[in-house]
Amino acid sequence: DVKVTQSSRYLVKRTGEKVFLECVQDMDHENMFWYRQDPGLGLRLIYFSYDVKMKEKGDIPEGYSVSREKKERFSLILESASTNQTSMYLCASVDSGNSYEQYFGPGTRLTVT
Amino acid sequence: DQQVKQNSPSLSVQEGRISILNCDYTNSMFDYFLWYKKYPAEGPTFLISISSIKDKNEDGRFTVFLNKSAKHLSLHIVPSQPGDSAVYFCAALRSGSRLTFGEGTQLTVNP
Repeated sequence: DVKVTQSSRYLVKRTGEKVFLECVQDMDHENMFWYRQDPGLGLRLIYFSYDVKMKEKGDIPEGYSVSREKKERFSLILESASTNQTSMYLCASVDSGNSYEQYFGPGTRLTVT
Repeated sequence: DQQVKQNSPSLSVQEGRISILNCDYTNSMFDYFLWYKKYPAEGPTFLISISSIKDKNEDGRFTVFLNKSAKHLSLHIVPSQPGDSAVYFCAALRSGSRLTFGEGTQLTVNP
């Protein structure tokens, strides 16, 4: 059973702080993704990675960066948090060879004040 | 450019009746479509999918229909149950590319 975990369920940060969101998957998946979910906008892709140390920009990468030093871990970094980055952040992974079905973590509700 | 659109933000149905959730897409290169279900404070979970070579796929109470000429797909839930109340996301992709999600539809099934 695939498990994707995220380091925090809820976070409150101040404007200008550097924020780290961690994601770990236990199924040896090559591909990992970071999305944000906002009402009326669905899931929007921020960054994705198809291998260790590889990363690709998604649709809304501005204000974010990522790190993938190990296959199972994909980190999202908000360099200087702003109030418009208040959102639900979702991490997902998928085995590139087998399926298109992404497995999602439980999400991190981030509030930037 | 929203390539996958779910035009109904919400849908309310009575328990036991049919729920029909709709999704339209603009990219004719999409060849695989998925539906995800999301409860509050949880991540989305995969529900059902369909390849562009098919026009229907069924799994228990859930059936997805694909109309390629209209660039439209729909998810039918019969019979609807209160536990089906969730946000449903439609997603599409072109082989080798990444998923594009719709805005989501909040389904409420009333007992």
